[in-house]
Amino acid sequence: DTGVSQDPRHKITKRGQNVTFRCDPISEHNRLYWYRQTLGQGPEFLTYFQNEAQLEKSRLLSDRFSAERPKGSFSTLEIQRTEQGDSAMYLCASRQGVGTEAFFGQGTRLTVV
Amino acid sequence: AQSVTQPDIHITVSEGASLELRCNYSYGATPYLFWYVQSPGQGLQLLLKYFSGDTLVQGIKGFEAEFKRSQSSFNLRKPSVHWSDAAEYFCAVAITGNTPLVFGKGTRLSVIA
Repeated sequence: DTGVSQDPRHKITKRGQNVTFRCDPISEHNRLYWYRQTLGQGPEFLTYFQNEAQLEKSRLLSDRFSAERPKGSFSTLEIQRTEQGDSAMYLCASRQGVGTEAFFGQGTRLTVV
Repeated sequence: AQSVTQPDIHITVSEGASLELRCNYSYGATPYLFWYVQSPGQGLQLLLKYFSGDTLVQGIKGFEAEFKRSQSSFNLRKPSVHWSDAAEYFCAVAITGNTPLVFGKGTRLSVIA
């Protein structure tokens, strides 16, 4: 296993379009997190899954954002009707259990034009 | 809600010099504390973490950090910086070992010859 994988690495989209990102966690990890990182800022928490259950959502996650983790494996993050303010790096992380290290993927960089 | 402050946005050090990156957190109890490093275009890599016990924590790549409860600080240190240490460094906290991380805004480290 090579770690947390995110696809695509880069996405350019026009304002108003929908986009979907995928995250494949490390296979035995049951916890999966999505973060957003804008230029000059640290990552900000968006949402969190334990297995297939979405346990927590940040207030940053507007109703245009939706995340799923069917069968507790990979996860998708969809942004509907994208806005220029959605331009950011979207990071995925996974961990196995309490107190263990969270491993991050390389991120998907979204540019909304 | 917990928060993390990294007072230094950008630090420049000479190769071979010592380094200290500052991190202060705001939380009523002792949180779980982390330092991550991010190279350009890359995801975040864990340098070290503190959960309990010895307040001086050793990490990878020759880094260490000291937890000081009285100062609500978790500063990162390295005795001799290498050019390859140039990157963005993020301090993060979590209420438990399972909850999402709250990151600081990061400190960019530049290393000069």
